[in-house]
Amino acid sequence: AQKVTQAQTEISVVEKEDVTLDCVYETRDTTYYLFWYKQPPSGELVFLIRRNSFDEQNEISGRYSWNFQKSTSSFNFTITASQVVDSAVYFCALSEAWTIAGGTSYGKLTFGQGTILTVHP
Amino acid sequence: DSGVTQTPKHLITATGQRVTLRCSPRSGDLSVYWYQQSLDQGLQFLIQYYNGEERAKGNILERFSAQQFPDLHSELNLSSLELGDSALYFCASSLGLPTSGGSYNEQFFGPGTRLTVL
Repeated sequence: AQKVTQAQTEISVVEKEDVTLDCVYETRDTTYYLFWYKQPPSGELVFLIRRNSFDEQNEISGRYSWNFQKSTSSFNFTITASQVVDSAVYFCALSEAWTIAGGTSYGKLTFGQGTILTVHP
Repeated sequence: DSGVTQTPKHLITATGQRVTLRCSPRSGDLSVYWYQQSLDQGLQFLIQYYNGEERAKGNILERFSAQQFPDLHSELNLSSLELGDSALYFCASSLGLPTSGGSYNEQFFGPGTRLTVL
């Protein structure tokens, strides 16, 4: 069974600090996808990144960066120079393959418990 | 705006009642997913429909049911409501075609319906 663990329940930082959100996953599949979503106070889920299991390249997007390490089953997310607008709940998620008529499909997301990030001015 | 719409935005009802949550997927998306976000269980997958047919089931209670209509909108029916059913219910949609290899169809989430059972 797949599982996603976000050990940090809450993190509090001051603006301009760097912050790393940890994510550890468990899966038996060799092909899977990992995601990060942001849930701001307004409640919607905002997609941040998707990474497949064959692509271990780290990715940087502006102040956001992601470090994927299959050897440790981790997919960590770093915000550089945090801002107050980064305050939100961040979820890591995993999607394994399952077979449906017509082929293999991915879609059922297993989410971690979320990390509440508060950035103080 | 993801293009996925959910109605109503808020719903307050009493224990024992039945409610229907509605989801309209993005134009062209064939797959609809329902998720529940509660304080106890976190965010969990309930059920997926693809082009009108149920395709995958998660931890969905027997009191809950869903369907996807020919126009591809979906409804989640919750009956015999209990206090513990209070949660934020998300619908997501994707192109939904079966994939293999490196292809993936992104899920886009709606704004959610907040259900409060009193």
